[in-house]
Amino acid sequence: DIQMTQSPSTLSASIGDRVTITCRASQSISRWLAWYQQKPGKAPKLLIYKASSLESGVPSRFSGSGSGTEFTLTINSLQPDDFATYYCQEYNSYSSYSFGQGTKLEIK
Amino acid sequence: QIQLQESGPGLVRPSETLSLTCTVSGGSITSSADSWGWIRQSPEKGLEWIGTIFYSGTTSYNPSLKSRVTISLDTSTNQFSLQLTSVTAADTAVYYCARRGLGLYWGQGMLVTVSS
Repeated sequence: DIQMTQSPSTLSASIGDRVTITCRASQSISRWLAWYQQKPGKAPKLLIYKASSLESGVPSRFSGSGSGTEFTLTINSLQPDDFATYYCQEYNSYSSYSFGQGTKLEIK
Repeated sequence: QIQLQESGPGLVRPSETLSLTCTVSGGSITSSADSWGWIRQSPEKGLEWIGTIFYSGTTSYNPSLKSRVTISLDTSTNQFSLQLTSVTAADTAVYYCARRGLGLYWGQGMLVTVSS
């Protein structure tokens, strides 16, 4: 099984800040990584797929990078709507997935 | 735009079988471009993949749940289903169905509580 480790678990930031969340895989997953945003009581929403491709309709202030075992999600110029929990997910295998434990982005 | 909606009982007794259905609208579950799956979320375990089914009917299950899980397709109703047997309180979670396209696209989720 591939283990996904996100850091930090919690992140406090202000409107307008630039923040970065890191996700590490226990083995190489090439670029088979996605990022999701989840708000309370809602399903996760796809933001980034294949490590750096922006899902249609997602604001360009969101960006992803990385390959192999280390990946980052960057949010430029934080907006009030961005305060949520973010998850990474590997899909190196076509049939099984693993998720990170989540990063809660809070208002400072 | 493809949409997914979970349905089923919100309360299941311990040792019984949890059964959920995902109704797909706006697209066909027989599309070879997609696969379909179930994921659950609890405070204790976070997001946990349960299993995946392909248009051919081929399945893949989380090894930790494999002995208790069955996922099936019903092409006549454009639905796919989850059965989880011998449930305990540890199976209490929000259950999501999802489509794998470029990434995962999720249904709204459904809380299932295991309690007597």
